Amino acid sequence: GQSLEQPSEVTAVEGAIVQINCTYQTSGFYGLSWYQQHDGGAPTFLSYNALDGLEETGRFSSFLSRSDSYGYLLLQELQMKDSASYFCAVRDNYGQNFVFGPGTRLSVLP
Amino acid sequence: GAVVSQHPSRVICKSGTSVKIECRSLDFQATTMFWYRQFPKQSLMLMATSNEGSKATYEQGVEKDKFLINHASLTLSTLTVTSAHPEDSSFYICSAQKTTEAYGYTFGSGTRLTVV
Repeated sequence: GQSLEQPSEVTAVEGAIVQINCTYQTSGFYGLSWYQQHDGGAPTFLSYNALDGLEETGRFSSFLSRSDSYGYLLLQELQMKDSASYFCAVRDNYGQNFVFGPGTRLSVLP
Repeated sequence: GAVVSQHPSRVICKSGTSVKIECRSLDFQATTMFWYRQFPKQSLMLMATSNEGSKATYEQGVEKDKFLINHASLTLSTLTVTSAHPEDSSFYICSAQKTTEAYGYTFGSGTRLTVV
């Protein structure tokens, strides 16, 4: 079986830094992705980690620890437009698809 | 970058009718596409994996006779919701992987289906 856990909601103010955690239990592991989804829109790809460590892409960074089955998405210099749902997704070794976490709704306040 | 087009974006249909949703990879070939369903405030749930030239692989609990998938070419997959009922109302999203990108999938814009 596969299961992923994320906080359901996170609230922060503009300019702040927020970390969204993801823990997973999967039969295999090939990589961890993060997606952003605004209300009514489709998910958009943010980042991918296959190896341990931190990947930085502009204001967003993603971290992975395979030994802890844990990763996080770090959003810096928060902007109002960052208000959205964020999903972690794991690709296991036995399939081509990603299994999505329940999602974290981020609200950025002025 | 990889672009996936999904059509229609919104559809309202009467209970008992069928609806076809198209998913096209515009600038790359996709031997495999995925169909997801998302209910309000919930995560994306994989319904089926669409393979070009062969039968789709359905996830447990998804009725293959109700959700017909056809992947007739390397750039087009279709999902037909047959005999739709109000409980089928949902957001349906397709995704495809560009073979040169092993890590991420490009999603279509989604189709909001409302069955009345």
